[in-house]
Amino acid sequence: AQSVSQHNHHVILSEAASLELGCNYSYGGTVNLFWYVQYPGQHLQLLLKYFSGDPLVKGIKGFEAEFIKSKFSFNLRKPSVQWSDTAEYFCAVTAYQAGTALIFGKGTTLSVSS
Amino acid sequence: EPEVTQTPSHQVTQMGQEVILRCVPISNHLYFYWYRQILGQKVEFLVSFYNNEISEKSEIFDDQFSVERPDGSNFTLKIRSTKLEDSAMYFCASRYEGNQPQHFGDGTRLSIL
Repeated sequence: AQSVSQHNHHVILSEAASLELGCNYSYGGTVNLFWYVQYPGQHLQLLLKYFSGDPLVKGIKGFEAEFIKSKFSFNLRKPSVQWSDTAEYFCAVTAYQAGTALIFGKGTTLSVSS
Repeated sequence: EPEVTQTPSHQVTQMGQEVILRCVPISNHLYFYWYRQILGQKVEFLVSFYNNEISEKSEIFDDQFSVERPDGSNFTLKIRSTKLEDSAMYFCASRYEGNQPQHFGDGTRLSIL
């Protein structure tokens, strides 16, 4: 069965620090990859997605992610975090030809102090 | 920007009772989903719905669960006889078609007593 692993449960950073959140998936075939963010009290929002093409994907609010097929990874990065980035971040995958259901990781809570 | 709306935001129900969670997907979307998140655990897929029928379901989605699109706008999840372990946040999502991403509602927190 497909699964998604997020290595960091809780990350604490100061403003302007760089961020990298790890995400690995287990599925040998073609995948679509997503990062969703959930700000306190709000719904899940799409940060960015990868379907094909350039493995470096840029999303909203200065986030980017790199798909490394050989490592089954899709890590999220931001060069300089802001206090407003405090949220929970979820990596998710759909496997091509295995349906459109999103398989989520456990999520990473990011706390940014000003 | 159009949103997926879910009602109620919090539902408290006695064990064994039936509960219906409601969702209004984005109006031109064609695919509809229910997910749940038990406190401290992953968001888990329950079921997807397309063209007025279930297109995928997970092992969690057993005979206690059903979904319906009773009219052109609502998408409901019914749990027939709730158990304590059904306590969770339930998220509805919808998407248009093709490679369009899923858009999520704010969730309904279901508490079974």
